[in-house]
Amino acid sequence: ELVLTQSPGTLSLSPGERATLSCRASQRITSSYLAWYQQRPGQAPRLLIHGVSSRASGIPARFSGSGSGTDFTLTISRLEPEDFAIYYCQQFGSSPYTFGQGTKLEIK
Amino acid sequence: QVQLQQWGAGLLKPSETLSLTCGVFGGSFGGDDWSWIRQPPGKGLEWIGEINHSGNTNYNPSLKSRVTISVDTSKNQFSLKLTSVTAADTAVYYCARDSYYSASGSYQFDSWGQGTLVTVSS
Repeated sequence: ELVLTQSPGTLSLSPGERATLSCRASQRITSSYLAWYQQRPGQAPRLLIHGVSSRASGIPARFSGSGSGTDFTLTISRLEPEDFAIYYCQQFGSSPYTFGQGTKLEIK
Repeated sequence: QVQLQQWGAGLLKPSETLSLTCGVFGGSFGGDDWSWIRQPPGKGLEWIGEINHSGNTNYNPSLKSRVTISVDTSKNQFSLKLTSVTAADTAVYYCARDSYYSASGSYQFDSWGQGTLVTVSS
């Protein structure tokens, strides 16, 4: 099973700051089958980034994804109050499809 | 814009069978795969399995012996059954669409149901 490890577990920042979230895979992820999701309390996850670096429909430009192979990054350029949530990376490269354990982005 | 709406029993006793159904509204049912994903309280996400419109399934080996996912294309619905539940199966269960985007050559879960909390307790 392909394991995704996210770091840090919790990130404390202030609105307006830049957030950098990491996702490392236990083996190379095939093609561009890496996505990022945002989950707010009591809500279903929402797709942010697909294919490593493509923003999903309606996602603001302050969200960007990058990386390849085993190392991937989600960057939020300037944090807005609504961005404080939990973020998950997820891979479709090999079955079973797996998620990282999540990074909680909290207000400092 | 496809919407997923799910329903099913929320309280089970140990050894009973979990049964959930997800309806797909407002979009094409035949072109994508459809998944179930769960999230124990306060924990992360676990993919359970998927099915396509032809009924071909793919399950997580960790649950394969207890899981059945089925599809009813006449109703644009797919269902999850999980047998012999224990307290460890207590979670919010989500249905989701696995879609393929040709522009980026990627797969992703781009539409989700609202989630159903299933509690297993004697």
